[in-house]
Amino acid sequence: EIVMTQSPATLSVSPGERATLSCRASQSVGTTLAWYQQKPGQAPRLLIYGASTRATGIPDRFTGSGSGTEFTLSISSLQSEDFVVYYCQQHYNWPLTFGGGTKVEIK
Amino acid sequence: EVQLVESGGNLVQPGGSLRLSCAASRFTFNNYAMSWVRQAPGKGLEWVSAISGSGDSTYYADSVKGRFTISRDNSKDTVYLQMNSLRAEDTALYYCAKGGSSRSRCYMDVWGKGTTVTVSS
Repeated sequence: EIVMTQSPATLSVSPGERATLSCRASQSVGTTLAWYQQKPGQAPRLLIYGASTRATGIPDRFTGSGSGTEFTLSISSLQSEDFVVYYCQQHYNWPLTFGGGTKVEIK
Repeated sequence: EVQLVESGGNLVQPGGSLRLSCAASRFTFNNYAMSWVRQAPGKGLEWVSAISGSGDSTYYADSVKGRFTISRDNSKDTVYLQMNSLRAEDTALYYCAKGGSSRSRCYMDVWGKGTTVTVSS
């Protein structure tokens, strides 16, 4: 099983500033990496797939990068609605696995 | 707009069974793999099971293998999760999710709102 590790678990950032979230895979997953956003009481929403491609309707302040084992989700100029939880997920191999999540909170 | 609506969640005793359903609409259902993903209260996301678009191939997390069975009826645009020998640790909100491409092993681009399964005596 490929283990996905997200860091930090909680990230404190001021509104309008940039957030950088990390996701590490226990073995190479190429670019088969997706990022999701989950707001309280809601289902996850796809943000990024293929490590760097924004999903339909996702604002360009969300940027995904990386390949192999190291991935980053950057959120420029944080808006109030961005202070929620983010998950990464690999689909390189079965079982599909998610990271433990990063909660972005207001500093 | 593509839509997924889950149903079937309930309170069940340990050792019991439940069948979850997920009705899909507004996309060509048999072109896409479908997954079930669960989230225990206050916890992260855990992939549970997936099925190919044709239904010929199924995949399971080790935690549910041998107890859960995924299936689909492409004539009804519906995917199911039969859950047997339920345990307390299966308590979670169960989401149905659509694969984002024609591949079975894929990211998930559309999610339902979820259905709650509680396993308790």
